[in-house]
Amino acid sequence: EPEVTQTPSHQVTQMGQEVILRCVPISNHLYFYWYRQILGQKVEFLVSFYNNEISEKSEIFDDQFSVERPDGSNFTLKIRSTKLEDSAMYFCASRDRGGNIQYFGAGTRLSVL
Amino acid sequence: GQQLNQSPQSMFIQEGEDVSMNCTSSSIFNTWLWYKQDPGEGPVLLIALYKAGELTSNGRLTAQFGITRKDSFLNISASIPSDVGIYFCAGQLQGSGNTGKLIFGQGTTLQVKP
Repeated sequence: EPEVTQTPSHQVTQMGQEVILRCVPISNHLYFYWYRQILGQKVEFLVSFYNNEISEKSEIFDDQFSVERPDGSNFTLKIRSTKLEDSAMYFCASRDRGGNIQYFGAGTRLSVL
Repeated sequence: GQQLNQSPQSMFIQEGEDVSMNCTSSSIFNTWLWYKQDPGEGPVLLIALYKAGELTSNGRLTAQFGITRKDSFLNISASIPSDVGIYFCAGQLQGSGNTGKLIFGQGTTLQVKP
């Protein structure tokens, strides 16, 4: 069964460093998403991406965040200068054109020290 | 902002018991999804609801989309130890356009005692 894959599973970084979280969405999907889940809290929307541009972003998604689809398969989330409060699980999700169901990856745990 | 209020926050039940959890909102949703999350994993879809009043089953799971499109419940019958996890409701707001952004409830943590 097709699945969304995310790498790495765990990323440890120093405050102020740049990180890139990687995702490979399901191959025929056209809409891509990043969500964040701080430990013990609910999943929060960060950004949606369609047709090579951001279609919606939340207040969390400030100038330190950016997304990119550098080729036909990868979808990345970059945090330019990490802060302690960026520590969370980051989930990538994708859906196809005709459906409302988003399929999630297993997530990347980001730990900012 | 838009919120989904999910309850109960946690449940500790005996194996074999039935479970019920629900989500409510003041906003109208055009799609309602129920996900399960195991520790260290991403949310896995359990049931999707699209129509007001829709009642859908998936094995021992049953979910309904409220008539007003502002609420939903999830029932699990005859719980087993592998039902342990966190259950989230998630909705796509009516009028959210083509983005498909999902709003999540706070989650219900389910523990099952064998």
